[in-house]
Amino acid sequence: QVQLQESGPGLVKPAGTLSLTCDVSGGFMSSDLWWSWVRQSPEKGLEWIGEIFHSGTTNYNPSLKSRVSISADRSKNQFSLNLRSVTAADTAVYYCASYYDNSGYRIDYWGQGTLVTVSS
Amino acid sequence: QSALTQPPSASGSPGQSVTISCTGTYSDVGGYNFVSWYQQHPGKAPKLMIYEVSKRPSGVPDRFSGSKSGNTASLTVSGLQAEDEADYYCSSHAGRDNLFYVFGSGTKVTVL
Repeated sequence: QVQLQESGPGLVKPAGTLSLTCDVSGGFMSSDLWWSWVRQSPEKGLEWIGEIFHSGTTNYNPSLKSRVSISADRSKNQFSLNLRSVTAADTAVYYCASYYDNSGYRIDYWGQGTLVTVSS
Repeated sequence: QSALTQPPSASGSPGQSVTISCTGTYSDVGGYNFVSWYQQHPGKAPKLMIYEVSKRPSGVPDRFSGSKSGNTASLTVSGLQAEDEADYYCSSHAGRDNLFYVFGSGTKVTVL
């Protein structure tokens, strides 16, 4: 059973960089899991941000691709999100999530979520 | 705004059934049998209830069922129980421009 836990600053200044980390237990060494970030706001609802595979392959939401990067540190059982040049529109609850490769685009595991507010 | 359209609310009495629709286009819901449904209680993370249109993960009651016709998918909750009161979101694979997941706007289900 994969367990996920987000951490990072709850407040980011406009034009700054939002950085979050997801601690993984129970499945990081698996070679068939994708590691992902999803956010949720009242204005936009749920929004898939992007994903990284064990091979290092990444895929990003086209609407965020120019500002986002996802990386993984297997030695620490963590993966991370960086979102640059943030505005108030990036205020949301950010979830880390995980799912199996070739699993029909379903999200099996979710972290509890962390609220990030963009404000000066 | 969300890519997939859901009604904002739905309700039913205990024991009754409620059906939620999720409307997309030929490039997401209509083009793939990769529709999922998630249940979200206040302050909690979404929980997978249905995947690949009509399959239930282990542990999800068979009161939850899914279907699809054309560009519209549906989730039916039969035999409503108090604990079914939650927000429900649909999701679909979208094959355009590397956008792998799109979500619905969410439906608040109230058990009267």
